[in-house]
Amino acid sequence: QEQLVQSGAEVKKPGASVKVSCKASGYTFTNYDINWVRQAPGQGLEWMGWMNPNSGNTGYAQKFQGRITFTRNTSINTAYMEVSSLRSEDTAVYYCAREKFELGAAIVRWFDPWGQGTLVTVAS
Amino acid sequence: QSVLTQPPSASGTPGQRVTISCSGSSSNIGRNTVNWYQQLPGTAPKLLIYGNDQRPSGVPDRFSGSKSGTSASLAISGLQSEDEADYSCAAWDDSLNGPVFGGGTKLTVL
Repeated sequence: QEQLVQSGAEVKKPGASVKVSCKASGYTFTNYDINWVRQAPGQGLEWMGWMNPNSGNTGYAQKFQGRITFTRNTSINTAYMEVSSLRSEDTAVYYCAREKFELGAAIVRWFDPWGQGTLVTVAS
Repeated sequence: QSVLTQPPSASGTPGQRVTISCSGSSSNIGRNTVNWYQQLPGTAPKLLIYGNDQRPSGVPDRFSGSKSGTSASLAISGLQSEDEADYSCAAWDDSLNGPVFGGGTKLTVL
């Protein structure tokens, strides 16, 4: 079945960087954009940006510009998200999700499936 | 502070029908379609409704979505205990050039 499997939980100190992986299986990895979404404890979902695994093109939410980097390795169907200069407010569960869309009277976009999530804890 | 506004909680008894609202603006719900995601305790979001009212295969027809103007709703009929979860709405935002989410509604089955 189509699925995304993420790397395990991380504990980092303020100022450090973290890199989370997202391995796709069950579909052609390069055919769909991968998006990254995070969820701080007790908070709602927050979109971080997207990456096209075929071209490597990326787009970042303004809030994260300059502090996050999306990359991929197409030989192993894996996408990566790196966050630098971590601070305590970055403590959250980070999800990758495949974007699908339909073109019609309007563009219909949705995320499915999602990875299981990676908890990143930033603490001194 | 989430861009889309949802009530923080909702509740119902087994068999009842409940609705969850999602309010946005002209730059998101007013111009684009709405998706709903279900998040069971301690798990990742799962697509429940896309394109305002479309159900992916495997989602029971007890779940339905609708949109009017800058608001959307998720309805769950024949409420079951396994429906106890967090429900989040989402829509593309033309101003932010990305999707925005609601803060989530925690549904309790009494």
